[in-house]
Amino acid sequence: TQLLEQSPQFLSIQEGENLTVYCNSSSVFSSLQWYRQEPGEGPVLLVTVVTGGEVKKLKRLTFQFGDARKDSSLHITAAQPGDTGLYLCAGAIGSNYKLTFGKGTLLTVNP
Amino acid sequence: NAGVTQTPKFQVLKTGQSMTLQCAQDMNHNSMYWYRQDPGMGLRLIYYSASEGTTDKGEVPNGYNVSRLNKREFSLRLESAAPSQTSVYFCASSELGRINSPLHFGNGTRLTVT
Repeated sequence: TQLLEQSPQFLSIQEGENLTVYCNSSSVFSSLQWYRQEPGEGPVLLVTVVTGGEVKKLKRLTFQFGDARKDSSLHITAAQPGDTGLYLCAGAIGSNYKLTFGKGTLLTVNP
Repeated sequence: NAGVTQTPKFQVLKTGQSMTLQCAQDMNHNSMYWYRQDPGMGLRLIYYSASEGTTDKGEVPNGYNVSRLNKREFSLRLESAAPSQTSVYFCASSELGRINSPLHFGNGTRLTVT
């Protein structure tokens, strides 16, 4: 059983479109992180959300943590080819600082 | 600013051979981790070291051993490689004691076991 379910698994869109990626669980997380991974490299942190209902913005990326801290979403406005990559969510439960990762959403933005 | 450095970048092994994957970080982080990444499986934790001198099993520890050599270095050993261990292995580090502390990853070791 996957603790963190990400959807969709694959997403291919045209430059300029908007998109939302989801990260869902039946467990409550003390914090949740989003990473982006490019081919041949390790994941790189985009954002950490800690408070239920929290919304964080990073340029054209908007991250939201669900009120119950069981889910999160990543919304990209006016996607660009440079946004192409694997987006991973990762959650920490309680005081356990071991992160559990979702399987990721592979985003392709076509010019 | 090297961050987390992994060696080697690529490795091909025959079934039954052994090897050690090396990882070093220069950020003075206390915690270090080994993950494997497989298509459709995401990142799975193999072993971690919360601080120098301690190691603990993660989600998929069978077939692996680790050594926290010092604060900077954390190695992963495959004693008798199996085809099921074909994967991309990532080392990561983070500060200790902060539950929302980010992981800093290396660029991975791509291992093929034939």
